[in-house]
Amino acid sequence: DGGITQSPKYLFRKEGQNVTLSCEQNLNHDAMYWYRQDPGQGLRLIYYSQIVNDFQKGDIAEGYSVSREKKESFPLTVTSAQKNPTAFYLCASSIGDRATYEQYFGPGTRLTVT
Amino acid sequence: LAKTTQPISMDSYEGQEVNITCSHNNIATNDYITWYQQFPSQGPRFIIQGYKTKVTNEVASLFIPADRKSSTLSLPRVSLSDTAVYYCLVGDSMFSGGYNKLIFGAGTRLAVHP
Repeated sequence: DGGITQSPKYLFRKEGQNVTLSCEQNLNHDAMYWYRQDPGQGLRLIYYSQIVNDFQKGDIAEGYSVSREKKESFPLTVTSAQKNPTAFYLCASSIGDRATYEQYFGPGTRLTVT
Repeated sequence: LAKTTQPISMDSYEGQEVNITCSHNNIATNDYITWYQQFPSQGPRFIIQGYKTKVTNEVASLFIPADRKSSTLSLPRVSLSDTAVYYCLVGDSMFSGGYNKLIFGAGTRLAVHP
């Protein structure tokens, strides 16, 4: 089954702790994305990567970090520097970095920090 | 930089046609305009895309005028299951540092009533 997976579905952390969200795809896509979604709001781009070992900051990168050591994996770390980390996090992948190429989204991880 | 504008919400009744317009300027001239649908607590999924004029598939139509400053998603004969948030996605005309940035609209929340 080809697709994009995120784990875990729900994640709870104490304030001040770093936490890493997993995103894996077996679609052989070059481009991968991380979005944040707050209740009732749209998608905000955190980081994106067009190719292995390279990534770019999106609109709200502060307090987040990523790596792209393998084509199929794009983990996101939410650091203690992120002021309001509680949100729904979505990972996506596509063939390339154009709107022409369909973005395939994972099921999302709902992070709650208390 | 590209900018998109969508209505925040729309209401409709079952069986009616719904048109959702996204205004967008400074978009990439060589990229398609794409629309996505999102249900609560799920990742968005692709609906339709086009470059100019009209495109139709089994679920929707997309109208794009010659100046490409807007696009209109048309959902024929909506049902309760079409209640969702709809996003337009465009490419930014600014291609800085070798990277093509994609921009999601803020989303239109469609409520279909019996």
